[in-house]
Amino acid sequence: GENVEQHPSTLSVQEGDSAVIKCTYSDSASNYFPWYKQELGKRPQLIIDIRSNVGEKKDQRIAVTLNKTAKHFSLHITETQPEDSAVYFCAARRGGYQKVTFGTGTKLQVIP
Amino acid sequence: EAGVTQFPSHSVIEKGQTVTLRCDPISGHDNLYWYRRVMGKEIKFLLHFVKESKQDESGMPNNRFLAERTGGTYSTLKVQPAELEDSGVYFCASSQSGGNQPQHFGDGTRLSIL
Repeated sequence: GENVEQHPSTLSVQEGDSAVIKCTYSDSASNYFPWYKQELGKRPQLIIDIRSNVGEKKDQRIAVTLNKTAKHFSLHITETQPEDSAVYFCAARRGGYQKVTFGTGTKLQVIP
Repeated sequence: EAGVTQFPSHSVIEKGQTVTLRCDPISGHDNLYWYRRVMGKEIKFLLHFVKESKQDESGMPNNRFLAERTGGTYSTLKVQPAELEDSGVYFCASSQSGGNQPQHFGDGTRLSIL
């Protein structure tokens, strides 16, 4: 089955700096890669996703990149703000299936 | 539009007891999923309903877990009898039909087994 690895497990950055979270996946048939943000005690919220026919996608301060050959995908947050502090999960989904496989999460702390 | 709702938000029971979790998906979403996060680890898939049918239950840990979705609306997940290792946060998610539709999560039920 699919295996998703996520690094780092914790990340602290100064407000205004950039944060990068990296994930790798094992199943070459995976074609959809969502990212979820979970604030303390709240539900995971989809913040951005990317499909395998696209190499990069940007939404304001958030961008995702995908390298299908290397089976890597990354989340980039620029100009971080304290409200970006949360646990971020990457995930992968195989084409034709609905089951999503999650990474272990990255706890991001933005220091004011 | 109301989001995915889960009940209860927190449940504390003793080992050996039974607990039933409920999930109400977003109205009109045929796909309903159960996930679990144990002790800070990854969010792990349990099973997937399409309407009232179990499409994929490959993630169910053992036969102490029973999920139902009678009528294709809300779903229940029953744990009987509960064991210590069942503690964690149980999330429900739902999505529309069609390829690569995003899954929308509920707030989760925090289950503590004593």
